[in-house]
Amino acid sequence: GAVVSQHPSWVICKSGTSVKIECRSLDFQATTMFWYRQFPKQSLMLMATSNEGSKATYEQGVEKDKFLINHASLTLSTLTVTSAHPEDSSFYICSARDSPGQGVSGYTFGSGTRLTVV
Amino acid sequence: AQSVSQHNHHVILSEAASLELGCNYSYGGTVNLFWYVQYPGQHLQLLLKYFSGDPLVKGIKGFEAEFIKSKFSFNLRKPSVQWSDTAEYFCAVTASGNTGKLIFGQGTTLQVKP
Repeated sequence: GAVVSQHPSWVICKSGTSVKIECRSLDFQATTMFWYRQFPKQSLMLMATSNEGSKATYEQGVEKDKFLINHASLTLSTLTVTSAHPEDSSFYICSARDSPGQGVSGYTFGSGTRLTVV
Repeated sequence: AQSVSQHNHHVILSEAASLELGCNYSYGGTVNLFWYVQYPGQHLQLLLKYFSGDPLVKGIKGFEAEFIKSKFSFNLRKPSVQWSDTAEYFCAVTASGNTGKLIFGQGTTLQVKP
């Protein structure tokens, strides 16, 4: 089945530095990927929709300059948390649609990245 | 904007008990509905999904869900839970024409006592 690989699985960084998280579709092409954030014991909050070859669409309240999304190829989307602060510590999850051209199909999720900013 | 509401935040059951988790959504158009499970320390896994056709959907591990359009609901059921069903359960909805973004409910923590 469709597999999405997300790296790193965990990262600790110092306040003020930037962190890049990668999301790759391994055996299918994903023109659309989604980035979520999950706080402990809470649901997944959609941050943005990443579209290959164009700008990402951010949800209301998400700072686009803080969470930079790049979707340069059909198999890779990256989320960069810039100038990270402790309040950015969270679990970040990416998701990809495996058949975007054929209406809603399946969504495959990455294993998530635990970001801790100290 | 579409939203998803899960009524039960924390459910505790004994093994062999029956399970029903509520999920309601707010959207007047065509929707696609999903239930995901997240076991401790693991990533999201799809339990079942509804796109069209028979409103009673059967998924993996003995789970099923029924889409009731008039009630905007998609409740998850299992006749007899096991200790291994202890996990977080998420209902999710995507509406046609919204670029396919999946909106999640708040989640329900299920704890099954052996």
